[in-house]
Amino acid sequence: ETGVTQSPTHLIKTRGQQVTLRCSSQSGHNTVSWYQQALGQGPQFIFQYYREEENGRGNFPPRFSGLQFPNYSSELNVNALELDDSALYLCASSPGQQETQYFGPGTRLLVL
Amino acid sequence: SQQGEEDPQALSIQEGENATMNCSYKTSINNLQWYRQNSGRGLVHLILIRSNEREKHSGRLRVTLDTSKKSSSLLITASRAADTASYFCATPISSGSARQLTFGSGTQLTVLP
Repeated sequence: ETGVTQSPTHLIKTRGQQVTLRCSSQSGHNTVSWYQQALGQGPQFIFQYYREEENGRGNFPPRFSGLQFPNYSSELNVNALELDDSALYLCASSPGQQETQYFGPGTRLLVL
Repeated sequence: SQQGEEDPQALSIQEGENATMNCSYKTSINNLQWYRQNSGRGLVHLILIRSNEREKHSGRLRVTLDTSKKSSSLLITASRAADTASYFCATPISSGSARQLTFGSGTQLTVLP
């Protein structure tokens, strides 16, 4: 059974640019959630996708958007990058609305 | 907004000792979960305790839940250097039709050999 994978592992961008992060969910998991974790903080919920639809969103601006594909993999897109977007971005999958989520290793984004 | 808060923020112990971390939360829950994170990598689910449970064990882990005090504790017995990590409590809340996890800031545990 393959776990949750994310790409790339590290990324450096400049302010104003756009970035796309990718996530492959664990086999059989149709729900994907994205979290942002700033240094020294706990993860903050960005949004969740279930069966290719966004079904919940945290307190993040519209420049954070996402997609889920028929194979349940997902993308997180961030437009007009700001310095404060520098963080570890975590993807988590789960089967349906099961409470336990399974996290990928994360993508560390640095915005200069 | 953060639902849970861990205490202490940092804990340093010798190998073989027990480590206890506490978590307080604000609203009613139907379960509380503990996760571990090594060196800023992905989180690993450790244990889930439901609101109708008071205590749960998994290997060297013991979790308690006191819903009247809105608090939980995680005990790691006979700690090892490999237990060095950040530990987070998480509670699920509804966001639209999604069930999101809300995390505290975590406890950084260092186990010295």
